Amino acid sequence: NAGVTQTPKFQVLKTGQSMTLQCAQDMNHEYMSWYRQDPGMGLRLIHYSVGAGITDQGEVPNGYNVSRSTTEDFPLRLLSAAPSQTSVYFCASSRGGWKNIQYFGAGTRLSVL
Amino acid sequence: AQRVTQPEKLLSVFKGAPVELKCNYSYSGSPELFWYVQYSRQRLQLLLRHISRESIKGFTADLNKGETSFHLKKPFAQEEDSAMYYCAPILSDYDNFNKFYFGSGTKLNVKP
Repeated sequence: NAGVTQTPKFQVLKTGQSMTLQCAQDMNHEYMSWYRQDPGMGLRLIHYSVGAGITDQGEVPNGYNVSRSTTEDFPLRLLSAAPSQTSVYFCASSRGGWKNIQYFGAGTRLSVL
Repeated sequence: AQRVTQPEKLLSVFKGAPVELKCNYSYSGSPELFWYVQYSRQRLQLLLRHISRESIKGFTADLNKGETSFHLKKPFAQEEDSAMYYCAPILSDYDNFNKFYFGSGTKLNVKP
């Protein structure tokens, strides 16, 4: 059971570079989301999707773009990386809504120099 | 505004001692409440949710609407309980994403 798969596990970027964090799930979950985890701040929601073709902003969406062309994939794009985006990023999915169990990926540790 | 507060960043107890991880939320309605846990080198995972009124790995959590708290408790801590614990309330009666919050987390360290 793969569950939620995130790639890459680690990434170092220079300021201004762009990149895409990948997230894929094989559980046919409608809901997917991206969080960032910063020391002392817990997890904060960046963007989420309730199904293919539908996305919306979370608590901290600035500097990030998402799309959901398939049920399985939910990539997170950083168009012009900034040092403030240095963080650990988690992707999660759930079936039927946020009141149900969220399954998390292993995370991507991103450093922006 | 802080919606959910976990006042302790680090909690250290000895094996066999009771443990209580505090969680307070700011909301006047009826929240859905969850505790998630992240063990070392493992993924974040659901520990328990208040609606199920279950006990998982000896942990329980009771919703206290009067005190707006959802503290996580275990009568006898074990070394394998050492982990990062996150309180996560949904502060809405509906599936409103913007109101799904994670606390800042409490690191529990159970000493032998």
